[in-house]
Amino acid sequence: AQSVTQLGSHVSVSEGALVLLRCNYSSSVPPYLFWYVQYPNQGLQLLLKYTSAATLVKGINGFEAEFKKSETSFHLTKPSAHMSDAAEYFCAVSAGSQGNLIFGKGTKLSVKP
Amino acid sequence: DADVTQTPRNRITKTGKRIMLECSQTKGHDRMYWYRQDPGLGLRLIYYSFDVKDINKGEISDGYSVSRQAQAKFSLSLESAIPNQTALYFCATSDLVSGLTDTQYFGPGTRLTVL
Repeated sequence: AQSVTQLGSHVSVSEGALVLLRCNYSSSVPPYLFWYVQYPNQGLQLLLKYTSAATLVKGINGFEAEFKKSETSFHLTKPSAHMSDAAEYFCAVSAGSQGNLIFGKGTKLSVKP
Repeated sequence: DADVTQTPRNRITKTGKRIMLECSQTKGHDRMYWYRQDPGLGLRLIYYSFDVKDINKGEISDGYSVSRQAQAKFSLSLESAIPNQTALYFCATSDLVSGLTDTQYFGPGTRLTVL
């Protein structure tokens, strides 16, 4: 069965600092992996996705994630945080032919001036 | 116009009342989903539908029912609302690519409060 673990329910960084949000997954099939962002009072928006092509995936707003099969990880990074990056971030794995996404519990990112 | 719309956006109701949340999509996807979001618990799947005639329970379907009126419409009902159903509810749609669920597209959410 597929599952997702996001390490750290809350991460705080200073503006301009590196953002690293961790996601580990388990999957019985080659996975599709996703990162979503939720800004306050909004729905979830796709940041980026991995679908078995390049292992380094670039998304919107300067974010990227690297698929590491040996570590079953799909960590999200951004070299320099902006105040506007403050939001909650969700990692998800596709659950095969069942057609669902399995979401992690989310990581809330705070950005200090 | 938004691809996935939800109505109402906010609703306050009383214990025991019947509530319907509606979702419409213009993306042409067959697959539609209902989730609830609670702080610290992430998104939990309530029901999902692969097409008009295929409806499936998710991990937390007790106390909820759904109706897929058309490819573009998927409604969630709380037959007799209770306070612990107070949450943020999201509808989503997706396509299927190479046998795996591809990107899910979310509506803006409905904030439901049950007093």
